[in-house]
Amino acid sequence: EVQLVESGGGLVQPGGSVRLSCAASGFTFNNYWMAWVRQAPGKGPQWVANIKQDGSEKYYVDSVKGRFTISRDNAKNSFYLQMNRLRAEDTGLYYCASGPGWYSNLWGRGTLVTVSS
Amino acid sequence: DIVMTQSPDSLAVSLGERATIKCKSSQSLLHRTYRETFLAWFQQKPGQPPKPLIYGASTRESGVPDRFSGSGSGTDFTLTISSLQAEDVAVYYCHQYLDAPLTFGGGTKVEIK
Repeated sequence: EVQLVESGGGLVQPGGSVRLSCAASGFTFNNYWMAWVRQAPGKGPQWVANIKQDGSEKYYVDSVKGRFTISRDNAKNSFYLQMNRLRAEDTGLYYCASGPGWYSNLWGRGTLVTVSS
Repeated sequence: DIVMTQSPDSLAVSLGERATIKCKSSQSLLHRTYRETFLAWFQQKPGQPPKPLIYGASTRESGVPDRFSGSGSGTDFTLTISSLQAEDVAVYYCHQYLDAPLTFGGGTKVEIK
């Protein structure tokens, strides 16, 4: 079955760190760009970052530059989002997504990150 | 950043009637090299991830009913549901994937009148 499964979310204090993981199955992982998209409660989706097939290109939304790092391990069919210096406004459901080019037509079900003291 | 502006914010339509959602981008979404428009539409129901409906402005994803259609070019786009069904109640988002940061519209909530 073609799917993406996120893990690693939870309750984190402001200023803290968390690492999200996304496990891919059912498709040739190293052929696709991968992305993280988040959704704050009651809001629309916000693209966070994406990474090229070989990891040589990475792009981030301005609000996370210098705090978040996207990476991938093609041998494990997985990719990651290291989130540091977390803020309350980083709270939300984090989806991993993939597809042809920058268009993502496969989404996981999300993992919830709550930044609160 | 490319700003995506959707209208209306919400829409109530009778079952079997047409629903029309507009999306305007702050710059053209035509990719100069590929000559394809990098605009997609997503449907999101409560508790679910966004579901892709349309890409390339007008190409339906596999399995999407043909009552959903996308049109438009350049900076102005439309998602049409030709005959609204009860299962179409959702929030719909347009999305540009031409340039980073990738951006989404604010969403249009579709309900039954």
